[in-house]
Amino acid sequence: DQQVKQNSPSLSVQEGRISILNCDYTNSMFDYFLWYKKYPAEGPTFLISISSIKDKNEDGRFTVFLNKSAKHLSLHIVPSQPGDSAVYFCAASDSYGGATNKLIFGTGTLLAVQP
Amino acid sequence: NAGVTQTPKFQVLKTGQSMTLQCAQDMNHEYMSWYRQDPGMGLRLIHYSVGAGITDQGEVPNGYNVSRSTTEDFPLRLLSAAPSQTSVYFCASSYRGRNEQFFGPGTRLTVL
Repeated sequence: DQQVKQNSPSLSVQEGRISILNCDYTNSMFDYFLWYKKYPAEGPTFLISISSIKDKNEDGRFTVFLNKSAKHLSLHIVPSQPGDSAVYFCAASDSYGGATNKLIFGTGTLLAVQP
Repeated sequence: NAGVTQTPKFQVLKTGQSMTLQCAQDMNHEYMSWYRQDPGMGLRLIHYSVGAGITDQGEVPNGYNVSRSTTEDFPLRLLSAAPSQTSVYFCASSYRGRNEQFFGPGTRLTVL
């Protein structure tokens, strides 16, 4: 049973436009959500996060939105740049600030930003 | 700081062979974990540790052993490799209570 789902395996956008990556979850106990970015042959790197007490968190060109009632979050990248081309993973935790830092990951979305 | 390091980068094993994937971090992180990444499956947690001497199972622990004798090191052992363990393995670490984990560069393992 996939608790964190990224239903779009890939997304292609033009440079300068907005990229919107989506993620759905089923476990209502999740209280912290993260986005990771992964380039080929490298490990994932942390991008941005949001706790369940917020509905929006912004960091430069990256904004994450959380809709708890719909169990849905999205990552907006504005403006998109060719260097943003990577696989993006959504992850969730049910122990924010707790003893264990276990993360459940989605399957990833491959973003291609066309020059 | 080197961050999280993993060795080897690549490994080919025959079915039934054993090996240890090494992971080390120099950030004094209490929490360390191992994930495997397979096509269409995302990253799945194998084992994790909240501190030296403490380990626990994740989503897919079968066929893997871990131990944590020091804060810095968290090796992953495959006792008898199987083709189903062909994957890319990532080690990660973080401060206890912080969900943002730092990942190593990965080990690509092929079991023939």
